[in-house]
Amino acid sequence: DAGVIQSPRHEVTEMGQEVTLRCKPISGHDYLFWYRQTMMRGLELLIYFNNNVPIDDSGMPEDRFSAKMPNASFSTLKIQPSEPRDSAVYFCASSLGWMGTEAFFGQGTRLTVV
Amino acid sequence: SQKIEQNSEALNIQEGKTATLTCNYTNYSPAYLQWYRQDPGRGPVFLLLIRENEKEKRKERLKVTFDTTLKQSLFHITASQPADSATYLCALEANNQGGKLIFGQGTELSVKP
Repeated sequence: DAGVIQSPRHEVTEMGQEVTLRCKPISGHDYLFWYRQTMMRGLELLIYFNNNVPIDDSGMPEDRFSAKMPNASFSTLKIQPSEPRDSAVYFCASSLGWMGTEAFFGQGTRLTVV
Repeated sequence: SQKIEQNSEALNIQEGKTATLTCNYTNYSPAYLQWYRQDPGRGPVFLLLIRENEKEKRKERLKVTFDTTLKQSLFHITASQPADSATYLCALEANNQGGKLIFGQGTELSVKP
């Protein structure tokens, strides 16, 4: 397996524009996580899914953020409208099983909102 | 308040020495604690997991200890090499947190030849 695949690797957008980040988890993994990493706040969990169903979205900062998982091999994180403070690296991760299992991270998407 | 604290300052050591990184937590009751390595521009990579009822875990040159009384985990790299230079993140999973993987800020390790 190629691992968790995220696209794009880099995204530069203007404030107010819609941004969509994409993730393909490892085949067979039943949990998918979206994290955001900044220097100030470190790695924060935004939302996670189990078998394509959102379980906990308490980390999503605002209504401007939304995430979907239409099937077991694809998830999106959307920001609409984007703001400069959304600039960060966004990681997707997947795991097989819940607690006590390792999470496999993608390479991340570096988002810059100008 | 709940906190996971790792050495904020970078750790610089000489090749061949043992690197020891610290992870302290407050107001969590973790069932598991994990350690990850992150290189610049890449996602974290899993290294080791230790359970609350385990005191120590080893994997090759890596050793993790877990003291639930002190609320602390130590991560050791023996015979360190320049290739070990990276940021190391601890993460805990607690039943009262819905089992979410919650990360510390990470400690940057630099191993000089």
